[in-house]
Amino acid sequence: DSGVTQTPKHLITATGQRVTLRCSPRSGDLSVYWYQQSLDQGLQFLIQYYNGEERAKGNILERFSAQQFPDLHSELNLSSLELGDSALYFCASSVVENEQFFGPGTRLTVL
Amino acid sequence: GQNIDQPTEMTATEGAIVQINCTYQTSGFNGLFWYQQHAGEAPTFLSYNVLDGLEEKGRFSSFLSRSKGYSYLLLKELQMKDSASYLCAVPDAGRRALTFGSGTRLQVQP
Repeated sequence: DSGVTQTPKHLITATGQRVTLRCSPRSGDLSVYWYQQSLDQGLQFLIQYYNGEERAKGNILERFSAQQFPDLHSELNLSSLELGDSALYFCASSVVENEQFFGPGTRLTVL
Repeated sequence: GQNIDQPTEMTATEGAIVQINCTYQTSGFNGLFWYQQHAGEAPTFLSYNVLDGLEEKGRFSSFLSRSKGYSYLLLKELQMKDSASYLCAVPDAGRRALTFGSGTRLQVQP
């Protein structure tokens, strides 16, 4: 158990819908990272927050957004969902940038 | 930009030793990570190398050569539970997000 929690574990929704994925980092970790892992692709970095502020952006679509709240938990919002958004979404946290600990992931299925 | 290459799949026998290679190109080197990922599960941290040489941690060792842009993960006394994907990753130049290789799927056979 990495100490990073993610909810929900599974999410099934329809195209065009909007979902919110939630992540609670390890106690004391200020950085939160979001990654997407599709069947045919490796782990792709989406976005990083540090102590409430956006720190780095990767291959994140405009339909996706995220935020980190004062209690350091983070949410990833995915809207206008498409079939291709079906993937595992991982959250990771770290106290020192680089050594990241991953949550169990949310498996999103878009039908 | 950054680029990482790993073999896609490897097969080895229980009790044997296997070496998983990783080559990388990065604009600014800030270390190299290895993660293990079982299917459908979260990646788990195995090792971090920032200096050249071999670092041993139990059955797993990781080697780095910065001049060659090369690393390998060495798994000894293979067990069936070692069947997983092994991901090589490097931090970006800003020491923030990790760029992952596509992973090497290791299958350990009896």
